[in-house]
Amino acid sequence: QQKVQQSPESLTVSEGAMASLNCTFSDGTSNNFRWYRQHSAKGLEVLVSIFSDGEKEEGRFTAHLNRANLHVSLHIREPQPSDSAVYLCARNTEGADRLTFGKGTQLIIQP
Amino acid sequence: GPKVLQIPSHQIIDMGQMVTLNCDPVSNHLYFYWYKQILGQQMEFLVNFYNGKVMEKSKLFKDQFSVERPDGSYFTLKIQPTALEDSAVYFCASSGDKNYAEQFFGPGTRLTVL
Repeated sequence: QQKVQQSPESLTVSEGAMASLNCTFSDGTSNNFRWYRQHSAKGLEVLVSIFSDGEKEEGRFTAHLNRANLHVSLHIREPQPSDSAVYLCARNTEGADRLTFGKGTQLIIQP
Repeated sequence: GPKVLQIPSHQIIDMGQMVTLNCDPVSNHLYFYWYKQILGQQMEFLVNFYNGKVMEKSKLFKDQFSVERPDGSYFTLKIQPTALEDSAVYFCASSGDKNYAEQFFGPGTRLTVL
């Protein structure tokens, strides 16, 4: 069964400092990786989708995929207190229409 | 961005009763999903639905669960009868295509079974 592990479970960062979140997966069969964030009582907001090894930037959010290391990361540039939320990593595989999620990282941005 | 709505936001029912969770997907989307998140655990796939049919379901999609979208209205998840272990937040999602198409999620319905 495909697994997604996220680290750290919780992260506190000062406003303006780079925030880095990590996600490892159990095998290299997935073709697509996504980062979402979840504010309380709101739906998931997609941040970045990445298909290929390397980096993909969407505004202040940059995902970095390394399939050989089974690792995808998310870096948030100049985070604000409003970026405080749970960040979820998800993967899906060609031919399978389901997303597999990690447990999430609780990110707190301190003013 | 496109919005998915879920009704109600919170439902409390007694074990053994029936419950229907409603999802109002993005208007032109054709693929629909339900995910379940138990408190403290990761979100897990339940089922996806296209053209009036269940396309794929997980082992969490018990016989007591059913989905439908009558006449292009709400996409619903019905649980009959409910059990204590059904207590969770249920998220609906929709997409305009399958595989790598973006899935847009609703805010979830928190179901509490007593």
